[in-house]
Amino acid sequence: DIQMTQSPSSLSASVGDRVTITCRASQSISTYLNWYQQKKGKAPKLLMYAASSLQTGVPSRFSGSGSGTDFTLTISSLQPEDFATYYCQQSYSNLKTFGQGTKVEIK
Amino acid sequence: QVQLQESGPGLVKPSGTLSLTCAVSGGSITNSYWWSWVRQSPGKGLEWIGEIYHSGSASYNPSLKSRVTISVDKSKNQLSLNLSSVTAADTAVYYCARAFRSGSFDYWGQGTLVTVSS
Repeated sequence: DIQMTQSPSSLSASVGDRVTITCRASQSISTYLNWYQQKKGKAPKLLMYAASSLQTGVPSRFSGSGSGTDFTLTISSLQPEDFATYYCQQSYSNLKTFGQGTKVEIK
Repeated sequence: QVQLQESGPGLVKPSGTLSLTCAVSGGSITNSYWWSWVRQSPGKGLEWIGEIYHSGSASYNPSLKSRVTISVDKSKNQLSLNLSSVTAADTAVYYCARAFRSGSFDYWGQGTLVTVSS
C-alpha cells in the first residue's frame, strides 16, 4: 500500500492567514494526488485534482503543487468557511489511499 | 447535476452482511466513470473499499476483498455494496462516490452511518 502522511495533523490560524498543508507519499506517485475539504457531518468535497488542477467552482485562493512524493495545499487567505479538515488522496495505485487529515481551526 | 444517495440498514449484527445501495440521479451510471465506495471511521479515517464500472468490472481493497462485493444495476441506475462477516471494526459512515479525472472523487453521496452491534 502507498502510505500518505499529512502534516501537521492540526493547525490554528486566523482569517486572512496563508495556510500550507503538506502531504507525503511513501513512494513516487507522479502527480496522482487529490485534495479534499470535509466539514463536520458532510461528505468530502474535491478541491484539487492531479496535484495542481483546481476543481470547478473552488475559489482561486486554493492552490496545489508538488510531484513525486511531496505535495502541498495552500490557502492564500483563509476565510471563515475554510475551517474544516483537509485530506490528500493518491490515485497512482489501484488501491487508493488517503492521508489522515489536517484539521484547520480558528485561532 | 449528478446526485448520489446511499440507503440501507443503519444497524447490522456481528457476523451478518452489510448491504447498501447508492442511487445515481442526474446522469447515467453507464457514462464513462468508475463508481466507488469509501468508508470513514474514527479509528481508520477514510478508507477506499472498491470500485466498479458499468460493465461489471470491479476492483477491491485487498484488505476487504474476501468479504466485499460491489455490483451495478443499470436498469435502476444504482450500485450496491455487500460486506459480509462484519464486526464492530466495520462500523463507519459509508459513502458512494464517482471517480473523476486523475482518480479523484468529484461527486459523493451524503453518507450513511452503519453500526455493527448486537
